[in-house]
Order: sequence, then C-alpha cells, then structure tokens
Amino acid sequence: GAGVSQSPSNKVTEKGKDVELRCDPISGHTALYWYRQSLGQGLEFLIYFQGNSAPDKSGLPSDRFSAERTGGSVSTLTIQRTQQEDSAVYLCASSLRGVGGGANTGELFFGEGSRLTVL
Amino acid sequence: ILNVEQSPQSLHVQEGDSTNFTCSFPSSNFYALHWYRWETAKSPEALFVMTLNGDEKKKGRISATLNTKEGYSYLYIKGSQPEDSATYLCAFIITGNQFYFGTGTSLTVIP
Repeated sequence: GAGVSQSPSNKVTEKGKDVELRCDPISGHTALYWYRQSLGQGLEFLIYFQGNSAPDKSGLPSDRFSAERTGGSVSTLTIQRTQQEDSAVYLCASSLRGVGGGANTGELFFGEGSRLTVL
Repeated sequence: ILNVEQSPQSLHVQEGDSTNFTCSFPSSNFYALHWYRWETAKSPEALFVMTLNGDEKKKGRISATLNTKEGYSYLYIKGSQPEDSATYLCAFIITGNQFYFGTGTSLTVIP
C-alpha cells in the first residue's frame, strides 16, 4: 500500500503475555519511529531506526520492550510479560530522510496505530 | 526530556468561528517545528513543517506562525468547519532523530 501499515489494529491480551506489533513503512523511507500514547498523555517516543545505523532506544520504558527492523523495512515492536500500564495506542511513523549528518526536518507519515489493552 | 506545551487542552467552537491555539517550546537548540492533525480513527497527518524564525505557512483556512526566539508557534483556523474537528499536535525537533510532541489541542466544531 501507499501508506504506513500497522497490525494488529486492536489487541487485547492478558497480563503477563507477550505481544508483537508490526509496522510496514512507506517504501523508500529510511527512518522509522515508534511512539505510544497512553490515555490522557502525549505521544511518547520509544525507538528510532535510521538505515543501517544502530537504533536509538533511549525511549524504551523498560527491558520488556524491544524492537527490530529487518532489511531496513518492516519493524516489529515486542512487549514481553505485558503489564496493565502498557495499555496504549502504539503508533509507527516513517520519514523519507533520516539523520545522515544533518537534521531531519521531513514530515512523519504515521500508521493508524495498534491499540493494546492489557487486562 | 524537553517540555513542549500546547494550550488550550481542548476547545469547542461554533461553526464559522475563527480560533487559534498555541505551542510553546524551548527557545534554545531549535531546528524545526511540525504541526499535525489527528482525526479520530485516523492517523496523524502533517500540516506544516516550519524551520525559520518568522515563518508563516498557510493551507486553505489554516495557517501557522513561528517565533523561535521566544519559543512559540500559533495555529489559526479561519471559519471553522465540523471537518476541522481533530486533535492538533505540535512537534519540536532539535536533532535529526528526536521529535518532542506536545499533548495536543482537541478541537470540536459544533455545527
């Protein structure tokens, strides 16, 4: 498709289970971001991938969270041993230009998000 | 963590009214500021990318201004329509990889 695709759109899981969220960015976009929005909060940065560079994981809230990006395209965000406070909308965004020695002023293209509910 | 503040948090206006809201950000280390519109059940979409002090951007009935020296940006909507109802997010960028988002202004336009 032409836009950023995320799956699943909705996920309900029990506390303690692992979940995987998938993001398929726009073809050719080198930068990929994960954000989450908890109820009543702003967008919280989680992780950033740029090309083949090491990802910026500074926003991951705990070691239960991990993400990978295979082949510079699809990304998977994994949450292990989910907790109720992990309930949020997880948004993926991609951008045409990344860091590469200069700053990125390019707009972000977002997916529609994955709504995670941990019971 | 940088503090990006948006005000008001929510706003209800009548159709046809004009309105504006504010994004405040640190005035140092500025690189760019983005505005996004996030409609319910859709994905956020970029409205404006602003990089220079004094920038003014316009798209139809929506416009934005930027003051990097004092650290604020205004978004204006002229003659609000119901389809303008959405959450408006600003994002402050100081490096190439970190977008600091505000909590948004939720706008409801009453027909």
